[in-house]
Amino acid sequence: AQSVTQPDIHITVSEGASLELRCNYSYGATPYLFWYVQSPGQGLQLLLKYFSGDTLVQGIKGFEAEFKRSQSSFNLRKPSVHWSDAAEYFCAVGERTNAGKSTFGDGTTLTVKP
Amino acid sequence: NAGVTQTPKFQVLKTGQSMTLQCAQDMNHNSMYWYRQDPGMGLRLIYYSASEGTTDKGEVPNGYNVSRLNKREFSLRLESAAPSQTSVYFCASSNPGHNQPQHFGDGTRLSIL
Repeated sequence: AQSVTQPDIHITVSEGASLELRCNYSYGATPYLFWYVQSPGQGLQLLLKYFSGDTLVQGIKGFEAEFKRSQSSFNLRKPSVHWSDAAEYFCAVGERTNAGKSTFGDGTTLTVKP
Repeated sequence: NAGVTQTPKFQVLKTGQSMTLQCAQDMNHNSMYWYRQDPGMGLRLIYYSASEGTTDKGEVPNGYNVSRLNKREFSLRLESAAPSQTSVYFCASSNPGHNQPQHFGDGTRLSIL
């Protein structure tokens, strides 16, 4: 069975600093990989996704993520964090052969210091 | 510009009561999903519908039923609510081939006493 681990429950960064959120997955083949962001009291918003091809994926709001097969990782990065980026971030892995079936990590809460 | 609309936003039930959570999307998406989110956890898939007339169980379907009424609407029913079903419920939708939910509603916060 597939699984997703987000090792950091909570991360605090200063505004303007760079950000990296970690995601490790377990899956028998090349997975579909996703990052979502959730602001308080709202639903999730899709930031970016990896299906195939270029392992560096660009998303919305200036985020990017890199798929590293050898490390089973899909870490999310942003060069300069803004106060509005404070939210909870979820990594998810989807099954290629079973559309709709996916597993989410437990999330990382990002706090941005002024 | 509604996207995915869930009703109600909040609800309190007593154990054993029944309730239907409503979800509608106006993006002409084929696929729709129901998730639950519990504190400190990610989302867990309850049911999935790839298209009108089809539904499939997810990770945690016990105690729930769904109806894909038409392409726009996908409802979730609790026949006999239990305290363990206290959670935030999210509906989502996506286009074919996307494999994962693209657009989420704002959630229904359900408490069962």
